[in-house]
Amino acid sequence: NAGVTQTPKFRVLKTGQSMTLLCAQDMNHEYMYWYRQDPGMGLRLIHYSVGEGTTAKGEVPDGYNVSRLKKQNFLLGLESAAPSQTSVYFCASSYNQGGPPNTEAFFGQGTRLTVV
Amino acid sequence: GEDVEQSLFLSVREGDSSVINCTYTDSSSTYLYWYKQEPGAGLQLLTYIFSNMDMKQDQRLTVLLNKKDKHLSLRIADTQTGDSAIYFCAVAGAGSYQLTFGKGTKLSVIP
Repeated sequence: NAGVTQTPKFRVLKTGQSMTLLCAQDMNHEYMYWYRQDPGMGLRLIHYSVGEGTTAKGEVPDGYNVSRLKKQNFLLGLESAAPSQTSVYFCASSYNQGGPPNTEAFFGQGTRLTVV
Repeated sequence: GEDVEQSLFLSVREGDSSVINCTYTDSSSTYLYWYKQEPGAGLQLLTYIFSNMDMKQDQRLTVLLNKKDKHLSLRIADTQTGDSAIYFCAVAGAGSYQLTFGKGTKLSVIP
């Protein structure tokens, strides 16, 4: 039972490079989220998805794109990385439509991204 | 949409009680959670309360819910250095299973 798995765990990018962060969950959850966590700023929602094929903007979506082509995967893309995107990124998933009425979110271990 | 607010920092002495507060805006919120994040780790569920409850106690943890004021609190009795972490409040509304998180309160325990 892997839960929520994020890859990679660490990455260093040069300004202007692109990359994709992968989040995979094996709990048949409908909802998936991408957050960034910065010192003094707390946890901020970047984008989220309420089901396969759907995505929506969160609090800080600029500079990021997402896709949810498969229910179990939620991808976060940085097209042209900037130093301001240096952060720890967390993926989370919640809500199994066929399960008990529980909205608990499960989190991945995080991806530490540095943009130089 | 839902807005969840927490203060960012709290400092307490070892052995004292810690109280972490959270306010939310959606009065129809039905599921309310507290998550804990230890240094270098992801968030893990600590405890939760349903909106039809006023209080929930689990060993050293007490969750209080004031629905009228839309205020949720987490009390940690006999706070230990191992309780040093960031604590997140999260709320889900009725008819929506989407969770909204507060920014997190960093609890520092002074030996």
